[in-house]
Amino acid sequence: EPEVTQTPSHQVTQMGQEVILRCVPISNHLYFYWYRQILGQKVEFLVSFYNNEISEKSEIFDDQFSVERPDGSNFTLKIRSTKLEDSAMYFCASKWTSNEKLFFGSGTQLSVL
Amino acid sequence: TQLLEQSPQFLSIQEGENLTVYCNSSSVFSSLQWYRQEPGEGPVLLVTVVTGGEVKKLKRLTFQFGDARKDSSLHITAAQPGDTGLYLCAGARGATNKLIFGTGTLLAVQP
Repeated sequence: EPEVTQTPSHQVTQMGQEVILRCVPISNHLYFYWYRQILGQKVEFLVSFYNNEISEKSEIFDDQFSVERPDGSNFTLKIRSTKLEDSAMYFCASKWTSNEKLFFGSGTQLSVL
Repeated sequence: TQLLEQSPQFLSIQEGENLTVYCNSSSVFSSLQWYRQEPGEGPVLLVTVVTGGEVKKLKRLTFQFGDARKDSSLHITAAQPGDTGLYLCAGARGATNKLIFGTGTLLAVQP
């Protein structure tokens, strides 16, 4: 079965540093998402991306966050100046159409020290 | 804020027992999905229910969507150690059907 690939699997960074989390969605998919899961808490929606623009974002997705699909295959999440509370598992997900099955990547565990 | 509350939060049972996990909300969703998540992995879709009152079976797992499309249940018959994991319900809303995840139920099946 095709899969969503995320790199790196673990990222450790200092508070205030910029990080870029990378995702390669399934090749024919059109809808892309980032979710995050703080340890012990529920999975939270961050942002959805369709037709090369953000279609919806949550309150969590403030000005420190941005997403990009630079080359038609990668989908990145950038956090400009990380905070301690950004420590979480970040999941990328993609699907072909709005109503189809959503495929999740294995996640990037971000630790902000 | 749309909330999906799952109960119980934790469940530890013996192999062969039956169990039911509940997912409740005050909001209506266009569809509701159940996921299973293993440690260090992303959620994996088990089933999607769309119609109020719908019942779907996946081997020993039975999923039901409430008539009003606000709640759902997952019933596991004769649980096995391989069923151990975090079970998440998620409701779909909005133009891109973003998912609102439930609080999760951590199931441990003891051999």
